[in-house]
Amino acid sequence: DAGVIQSPRHEVTEMGQEVTLRCKPISGHNSLFWYRQTMMRGLELLIYFNNNVPIDDSGMPEDRFSAKMPNASFSTLKIQPSEPRDSAVYFCASSLNTGVNSPLHFGNGTRLTVT
Amino acid sequence: DQQVKQNSPSLSVQEGRISILNCDYTNSMFDYFLWYKKYPAEGPTFLISISSIKDKNEDGRFTVFLNKSAKHLSLHIVPSQPGDSAVYFCAASGDNDMRFGAGTRLTVKP
Repeated sequence: DAGVIQSPRHEVTEMGQEVTLRCKPISGHNSLFWYRQTMMRGLELLIYFNNNVPIDDSGMPEDRFSAKMPNASFSTLKIQPSEPRDSAVYFCASSLNTGVNSPLHFGNGTRLTVT
Repeated sequence: DQQVKQNSPSLSVQEGRISILNCDYTNSMFDYFLWYKKYPAEGPTFLISISSIKDKNEDGRFTVFLNKSAKHLSLHIVPSQPGDSAVYFCAASGDNDMRFGAGTRLTVKP
């Protein structure tokens, strides 16, 4: 199994531009999570999906952030317009079960830099 | 609101000695705890977990201890090896929520 695949690995963009991060979860996993990692706050949950349906988006910072999961094998996290404070590493993770006790399988992350 | 705290941003130990990483949580609804290990440029990987019905779980060189009354857990690595050098994240879950700590960077010196 290839694991969770995220693209791009690195993204550098200018303030005000739209950014789209992509994630392919592990086949058969029915839960998908988007996290943001910063030095100060560690890993923050932004949103998670169960069976392609958003369950909890309370971690999404503001309306500039949106996430979709059109099918079981693909999800996107979009930031529009981007701001310098959005610079962070964004991780996608998937898990087999719906319970929060299921270990998460993380992708390698997308490092976003907004100048 | 940091519900899971790892107060030591870094830890350095000598190869062969014990590494002890600590984690504190505030939400009494958390009933399952996990440790993840993260190498540079990679995503975190699951290491070991413990349910709140236990106070200890061991897997090879890794042992996690849970003190529910103190809302504290720790990860012991013994003996420590240079390959253990990584960032370790503590996670707590329960009540349909999972929270991560900020991580502790462990350096094991040869």
